Amino acid sequence: GENVEQHPSTLSVQEGDSAVIKCTYSDSASNYFPWYKQELGKGPQLIIDIRSNVGEKKDQRIAVTLNKTAKHFSLHITETQPEDSAVYFCAASIGGGSYIPTFGRGTSLIVHP
Amino acid sequence: DAGVTQSPTHLIKTRGQQVTLRCSPISGHKSVSWYQQVLGQGPQFIFQYYEKEERGRGNFPDRFSARQFPNYSSELNVNALLLGDSALYLCASSPLGDSNQPQHFGDGTRLSIL
Repeated sequence: GENVEQHPSTLSVQEGDSAVIKCTYSDSASNYFPWYKQELGKGPQLIIDIRSNVGEKKDQRIAVTLNKTAKHFSLHITETQPEDSAVYFCAASIGGGSYIPTFGRGTSLIVHP
Repeated sequence: DAGVTQSPTHLIKTRGQQVTLRCSPISGHKSVSWYQQVLGQGPQFIFQYYEKEERGRGNFPDRFSARQFPNYSSELNVNALLLGDSALYLCASSPLGDSNQPQHFGDGTRLSIL
């Protein structure tokens, strides 16, 4: 089955700095890669996603890049703010009529004011 | 618009008991998925239901079962509870059942097994 590795497990930055979280996946058939933000006591919230026919996607301060050859994808957050502090999860899924995603173990992002 | 709602928010059970968790999807969403999230880890996929039929199943024992009702709400049942079943159980909905649909999560049910 699919295996998703996520690094780092903890990331501490100063407000205004950039943050990068990286994930690798094992199954080349995976074609959908969402990123979620989970705040304490809440469920995960989708912040950006990318499909395998696209190499990069950007939404304001957030961007995701995908390298299918290397089987890795990354989340980039620019101009970080204290409210960006949360746990971030990447996921990978294989298409074909059902949605069975595999999540990474999460990255705890801490943005210091 | 209301998001995904789950009930109850917290639950305490003892080993060997049975539990039923409930989920109401976003209006118009026909697919519901269930996940188990152990502290410090990512959500682990349990089931996906679409149009009342099971579309996907993760690597969980037969003690776990689920169903989806005609109004697209769903229940997750866990029998013969073990200490290791203590976790946050998340429900997510999407408009359709395929892999290219963003998942919208509820805030979960925190299940504690004593």
